[in-house]
Amino acid sequence: NAGVTQTPKFRVLKTGQSMTLLCAQDMNHEYMYWYRQDPGMGLRLIHYSVGEGTTAKGEVPDGYNVSRLKKQNFLLGLESAAPSQTSVYFCASSTGITVAKNIQYFGAGTRLSVL
Amino acid sequence: AQSVTQPDIHITVSEGASLELRCNYSYGATPYLFWYVQSPGQGLQLLLKYFSGDTLVQGIKGFEAEFKRSQSSFNLRKPSVHWSDAAEYFCAVASNQGGKLIFGQGTELSVKP
Repeated sequence: NAGVTQTPKFRVLKTGQSMTLLCAQDMNHEYMYWYRQDPGMGLRLIHYSVGEGTTAKGEVPDGYNVSRLKKQNFLLGLESAAPSQTSVYFCASSTGITVAKNIQYFGAGTRLSVL
Repeated sequence: AQSVTQPDIHITVSEGASLELRCNYSYGATPYLFWYVQSPGQGLQLLLKYFSGDTLVQGIKGFEAEFKRSQSSFNLRKPSVHWSDAAEYFCAVASNQGGKLIFGQGTELSVKP
């Protein structure tokens, strides 16, 4: 069972470079999320999607863009990377609208360093 | 505003000893609460959840948590810790906006032989 798969696992960028992180889930989940994890700050929500073709801003959206063209994929883009975006990025998905169905399943993470 | 606080950044316990990780939340209505565990280099795995009903909930790997409304707490416990329990633990509350999760800062657990 693949669950939630993130690619790549590691990446090093130079300031100003762009990249896209891919998240794929095979559980037919409606909701998908992108988080960043920084020491001492837990996980903070960047963007999320409640269904194919929809996206919404989370707690820390600046400097990131997302797209959900297919239900199973959720892309996170950095157009011009900055050192402040050095972090571990996690993707998650969940089944539905109600909180009771919102058990989130996480990918293994992408470790990004911006020099 | 909704928030979750985990007062302990790092805890060390001896293998076989009991464990309690603290979690306090701020939420106006009935909270939906979660504990997740993150092993080194891995993603987050759900340990247990509280939605309603019995305030003592059982999870995987021998963990349990007790919801105490009067104390706004949802502390995680395990009677006997194993070396494989060394990980980072996150408490979270579900937001009333689109079911988003609000995470605490995390507690890193180290286990001494």
